[in-house]
Amino acid sequence: GQQVMQIPQYQHVQEGEDFTTYCNSSTTLSNIQWYKQRPGGHPVFLIQLVKSGEVKKQKRLTFQFGEAKKNSSLHITATQTTDVGTYFCAGGGSNYQLIWGAGTKLIIKP
Amino acid sequence: EAQVTQNPRYLITVTGKKLTVTCSQNMNHEYMSWYRQDPGLGLRQIYYSMNVEVTDKGDVPEGYKVSRKEKRNFPLILESPSPNQTSLYFCASSMEGTYGYTFGSGTRLTVV
Repeated sequence: GQQVMQIPQYQHVQEGEDFTTYCNSSTTLSNIQWYKQRPGGHPVFLIQLVKSGEVKKQKRLTFQFGEAKKNSSLHITATQTTDVGTYFCAGGGSNYQLIWGAGTKLIIKP
Repeated sequence: EAQVTQNPRYLITVTGKKLTVTCSQNMNHEYMSWYRQDPGLGLRQIYYSMNVEVTDKGDVPEGYKVSRKEKRNFPLILESPSPNQTSLYFCASSMEGTYGYTFGSGTRLTVV
């Protein structure tokens, strides 16, 4: 079946360093969405990308959707403690369902 | 305020005692879904509903039931809970299945 692989599983960064998480699909996606889950919280929708090659920015966060609509990335510039949490990608599949990546946990080193 | 409301937030129960976790949304969304989240396994879909009276199995439906008699409500029923159903459960809704989801705050279930 359709799968979305997300890497890395964890990323430890010093505050102020950059963070990137990547998602790759085995098939073409209709869209890609990104969610953030704070520790102890629930996933919160961040953004949706629909077009091939689309790039969107939200302050220090940059989201990209690949030309083939099979991969995506989320890049955070100059991480802050408020960025801590798990970031999930989810791709629109062929059966009108979302296919979820396993998430990347962002950990800020003390 | 647009939201998905789940109850209860925390529940400890014993093996075999039927329970229901409620989920309600006030956004007139067509699509609703239940997920469980376990450490290292991400979000796994249990059941989903495209519309009233239309439900379908997700990836891990065994041991669960759902119903969608009204658009706003989508309860999750565990007829005979077992310890392997101890997990964090999330209800989510969306305009349709591939649009942005709004999640409830979660229900942490422990079955002893």
